[in-house]
Amino acid sequence: NAGVMQNPRHLVRRRGQEARLRCSPMKGHSHVYWYRQLPEEGLKFMVYLQKENIIDESGMPKERFSAEFPKEGPSILRIQQVVRGDSAAYFCASSPPFGGGQGNQPQHFGDGTRLSIL
Amino acid sequence: GDSVTQMEGPVTLSEEAFLTINCTYTATGYPSLFWYVQYPGEGLQLLLKATKADDKGSNKGFEATYRKETTSFHLEKGSVQVSDSAVYFCALRNQAGTALIFGKGTTLSVSS
Repeated sequence: NAGVMQNPRHLVRRRGQEARLRCSPMKGHSHVYWYRQLPEEGLKFMVYLQKENIIDESGMPKERFSAEFPKEGPSILRIQQVVRGDSAAYFCASSPPFGGGQGNQPQHFGDGTRLSIL
Repeated sequence: GDSVTQMEGPVTLSEEAFLTINCTYTATGYPSLFWYVQYPGEGLQLLLKATKADDKGSNKGFEATYRKETTSFHLEKGSVQVSDSAVYFCALRNQAGTALIFGKGTTLSVSS
């Protein structure tokens, strides 16, 4: 049962380093979403991608954060020059292509990557 | 903008008690509504959903009805179990269909 796979599960970085988080969507899913969960908070949308395209990045911080979903391989969320405030759980979700109407396709979540900044 | 408001937790119940977790939303149009559950150390699992007014979503004894007139989607279960202890998130899909908007989550703790 290949669900959404995220790795690593835990990632520790020092301030100023780069963090790379990977997400492989469920089989047959071509849409990927990234969310961030700060302690005691709900999930906040960051970015929505389809293969080779960023569709909505309205939740992405303007600097240091980037995301990609190449034709081959997993989606990558990259955080450059990490700071303490980047410590959070980062969740990836995927959904199949939209059918007759958007909004009816649920998103399936991975177990997340817990990023800690020293 | 779109938003979801959930009742503050934690909610502490004894086994077999009745559960209600309130959820109200603000949105343009009639968004799809969802309840997700998160167990410790895990990702979110879809619990149930409703896509139009008066729809009732149900799964594993949990139910929620899409109420357009009160813009609500309250989660209920008639008899909770210890294994239901988790964090529950109410969410809506934004009008563009590109993102889920989540509430802050409600922690449920059930004791035997």
